[in-house]
Amino acid sequence: NAGVMQNPRHLVRRRGQEARLRCSPMKGHSHVYWYRQLPEEGLKFMVYLQKENIIDESGMPKERFSAEFPKEGPSILRIQQVVRGDSAAYFCASSPEREQFFGPGTRLTVL
Amino acid sequence: AQSVTQLGSHVSVSEGALVLLRCNYSSSVPPYLFWYVQYPNQGLQLLLKYTTGATLVKGINGFEAEFKKSETSFHLTKPSAHMSDAAEYFCAVSFGHGNTPLVFGKGTRLSVIA
Repeated sequence: NAGVMQNPRHLVRRRGQEARLRCSPMKGHSHVYWYRQLPEEGLKFMVYLQKENIIDESGMPKERFSAEFPKEGPSILRIQQVVRGDSAAYFCASSPEREQFFGPGTRLTVL
Repeated sequence: AQSVTQLGSHVSVSEGALVLLRCNYSSSVPPYLFWYVQYPNQGLQLLLKYTTGATLVKGINGFEAEFKKSETSFHLTKPSAHMSDAAEYFCAVSFGHGNTPLVFGKGTRLSVIA
């Protein structure tokens, strides 16, 4: 059973561009969480999704950020018009129940 | 408000010495508790978890943690540190029922000195 997969592992964008981060959960897991880790800080919750539904987006900025988890395919975290403050590691976790399994993360650098 | 506090952003121990990483939480509902380890430029790996039952839980790599409800603590210990234990350790808590997001502490960086 492959683990949680995220791609790309590293992403460089210039200010104003769009960033798309992908997460493929473990087989059989229908819950996906996105977290952001800023330098020297712990992970902060952004959004919780189940297939085709956003369950909790209380941690996601209201503007420029969106997430989806379609019926087919990976979950996508989309950041429009990126700014330097968006530079961070973005982690996805999938879960069958309470325990969450984390992917290797996508490190976004905004120039 | 529900929160997680890790005391000490950086802990340094000698190889072979006891490792103690502290975690306290505040919650009005029974929590589920987790410790994760993160090696440089990698994702998080689950070390151990407490859900219900025995309050002393054992995890991978010789780590264990004890849930103390009266102290709202879930400290992580290992009797003898190894060089390979050097990493960032995160305490995380799931509050409420069912699937809920994890609330993380800020992390403790463990250094092991030869």
